[in-house]
Amino acid sequence: QSALTQPASVSGSPRQSITISCAGTSSDVGSYNLVSWYQQHPGKAPKLMIFEGSKRPSGVSNRFSGAKSGNTASLTISGLQAEDEADYYCCSYAGDSSWVFGGGTKLTV
Amino acid sequence: QITLKESGPTLVKPTQTLTLTCTFSGVSLTTTGVGVGWIRQPPGKALEWLGLIYWDDAPHYTASLKSRLTITRDTSKKQMVLTMTNVDPVDTATYFCALLTPENAFDFWGQGTMVTVSS
Repeated sequence: QSALTQPASVSGSPRQSITISCAGTSSDVGSYNLVSWYQQHPGKAPKLMIFEGSKRPSGVSNRFSGAKSGNTASLTISGLQAEDEADYYCCSYAGDSSWVFGGGTKLTV
Repeated sequence: QITLKESGPTLVKPTQTLTLTCTFSGVSLTTTGVGVGWIRQPPGKALEWLGLIYWDDAPHYTASLKSRLTITRDTSKKQMVLTMTNVDPVDTATYFCALLTPENAFDFWGQGTMVTVSS
């Protein structure tokens, strides 16, 4: 499996909104509604922010939302806050019990 | 409370075999749809899925490393073990174990363990 494609970096000002894209193929993102998004602060383990494309785990702010169109998934963060500055990774089911991560996006607020 | 913790050597020589253990608590792996995955992250680089094991299924591995990886389980000890043979400096990374839940996401992660491959 090839890694999903994410922009290396995005930036935004406080209170603005940003969107991070995650481009896959018809074998992964396009075939399954099983994209998840993870936030990772330096030196920490990833934290689940979105699962099954657009669902938020309990405790995750509703400023985080996910969507999918064709072979591309996206994560939108609205009302940016300083604490949102982190690396973000998408992950998709790729069939046959396999998973693939994206290359990661560094968000600067 | 669900917790996972990785353990193993911090330094391994090239060509040796790396063995890492993931000890988990607060969850039963006999629950349908629950599995334990291994993910690694080289310094300054992206996450890479390595493999996954469910209670009632054979392990699954990323194609590029399939010949070098083995994942086994000891449910009585609540442990999963990752074995990687013939390690190389490019295998230097932080290795995470994570719980795959019925929500089809890695919802709980260990703190990670840093492994350096060097002579």
